[in-house]
Order: sequence, then C-alpha cells, then structure tokens
Amino acid sequence: SQELEQSPQSLIVQEGKNLTINCTSSKTLYGLYWYKQKYGEGLIFLMMLQKGGEEKSHEKITAKLDEKKQQSSLHITASQPSHAGIYLCGAHTGTASKLTFGTGTRLQVTL
Amino acid sequence: EPEVTQTPSHQVTQMGQEVILRCVPISNHLYFYWYRQILGQKVEFLVSFYNNEISEKSEIFDDQFSVERPDGSNFTLKIRSTKLEDSAMYFCASSEAAGWGQPQHFGDGTRLSIL
Repeated sequence: SQELEQSPQSLIVQEGKNLTINCTSSKTLYGLYWYKQKYGEGLIFLMMLQKGGEEKSHEKITAKLDEKKQQSSLHITASQPSHAGIYLCGAHTGTASKLTFGTGTRLQVTL
Repeated sequence: EPEVTQTPSHQVTQMGQEVILRCVPISNHLYFYWYRQILGQKVEFLVSFYNNEISEKSEIFDDQFSVERPDGSNFTLKIRSTKLEDSAMYFCASSEAAGWGQPQHFGDGTRLSIL
C-alpha cells in the first residue's frame, strides 16, 4: 500500500521566516492534496496538484509536485502566526474515493 | 462558503453502548466519507458512500459500523457496541465527485470518548 511520509515532523519558526514541508510517497504520485488542520479541528483543503511539475500558490503558500522524486513540497513565505497548525498531504491510493494521509507536520510560528 | 457540519462536537459514551455521529455534507456534493483520527496518529479512511450505497470500506469498518443517509441532508455513522479503542476524532467529508481533481471537504469532527 502507498505510504506518505512528511518531513519534518515538527517545525518552530520565527514570524517572517520562510519554511518548507515535504511529502514523499512510497509509490508513483499522480497528484496530491494539501490540507491544514488546526489543533483539535477539522481539515481545511488548501490546494491540489494534479500534474508533475505543477506549482500552485494561494496567498503566501506555494506547493509543487515532483513526479520523478515522488515528492511534493509546501513552501510558506514570510510565515505568520495564522499559519500555525498541522499540515497534511493526502493522495488517492488505489481507488478513486479513499484518501491516504501523510504523517503530518506540526508548525509553530513564534513572535 | 458552504461547509460540512458535524454534530455533536464531543460525545462521551459508556463502552458497549451504541453511538450515532451526524453529518450534514455540502448540499450539491454526491460522495460522502467518514475518516477517523486516533490521538497522535494519522487520519484513516473508514468508508465512502455514493448513491445510497457503500462504495468502499476499510478493514477498520467492521460489522460494528454502519452508515446511512436517512434523508436528503444527513449522513450518519453508527457504532453498534462501542469499544475503548473506538475513542478517536471522527471526520465526515464530502465531494462533488470521486477521484483526482475532486477535493474532499471535511467537517470539524466529533471527538468520541469511550469510558
């Protein structure tokens, strides 16, 4: 079965700093979803990547998909306290309905 | 913006009791899902539901679990006889269609605590 590993597991950055979170798949990635989870709350859909080499941006968050590396990266520019939370990558594994999620990256932004 | 709503936000139940978790998916969505997240672990798929039928279920979704769409708006997850290990956050999600390019939108979850 496909596994998604995220790195780092946790990250503490100072406000205004840039950061990158990676999601690596054990099998070919045909696409990827990024979600954000606030502590004890639901998952908020951020963006989806459907093609190798695709890059998408939303506000200060940019995500890229590297099919060859079976990896996606999420980059936050000039982090703010509102960016704090747990970032999850997800992918359809084998079927159209089931989503498999990564291990999560916990981000804290300090003032 | 339309959202998935779940009730209750927190449910405390004695082991062996039945529990029903409720969800109202986004109104024009046709596919519905339940996931769970045990504290400190990954979000895990339980079941997907389309056209009043289960379309896929995981190994976790055994005979103790059932899902139902009792009317045009609600989608429920029932656990017949709860066990301690059922304690988790349960998330409902919905999507317009299934597959790549169809993001699933999640509710805020129901925290289920089994005593």
